[in-house]
Amino acid sequence: AQSVTQLGSHVSVSEGALVLLRCNYSSSVPPYLFWYVQYPNQGLQLLLKYTSAATLVKGINGFEAEFKKSETSFHLTKPSAHMSDAAEYFCAVSGSTGANNLFFGTGTRLTVIP
Amino acid sequence: SAVISQKPSRDICQRGTSLTIQCQVDSQVTMMFWYRQQPGQSLTLIATANQGSEATYESGFVIDKFPISRPNLTFSTLTVSNMSPEDSSIYLCSVGELYEQYFGPGTRLTVT
Repeated sequence: AQSVTQLGSHVSVSEGALVLLRCNYSSSVPPYLFWYVQYPNQGLQLLLKYTSAATLVKGINGFEAEFKKSETSFHLTKPSAHMSDAAEYFCAVSGSTGANNLFFGTGTRLTVIP
Repeated sequence: SAVISQKPSRDICQRGTSLTIQCQVDSQVTMMFWYRQQPGQSLTLIATANQGSEATYESGFVIDKFPISRPNLTFSTLTVSNMSPEDSSIYLCSVGELYEQYFGPGTRLTVT
């Protein structure tokens, strides 16, 4: 079975500071991992995905995530936060069948302080 | 990537009534999914809808409460039946394309 744990339901950073959103996964099969962003009153947008290729994955809007099997982690980072990054971020995992059965974490709300 | 639209975008309904949510995709897709996002919560998969077959429901969700139709490869509907305030949520449809799922904008439902 697959599951994800997102540490920290709320994260606040200053504009220009490093963004670090934590995600740990549990999977009985090699996982596919995803980060989605949800802006207020909108649906989910895929930020990036790991599908067993390069362990460092670059996504849209300057975000990246590193798959660390030894730590069962897939933390999301961005070197310099922008006001427009304020949103809810969800980590998700699926099994080797692809993205057809996603399990989502509880989400982390990112606040960017000017 | 697929472009997905949902109707209505939001609605306020009386308890005991039903609401049908429509999901339209701009391309043909095999698998469509319906999720529920309760206030302040993450997404929970309600069911998977494949064209030409019955929807597959996750534990805790039943067809009588959430009937789903999938008449073709670009369209699906989810009905929330006999609503109660506990059904107040955002309902999202998504489509699966190999290693990615694309989500619609969601339908925000409030039941009074």
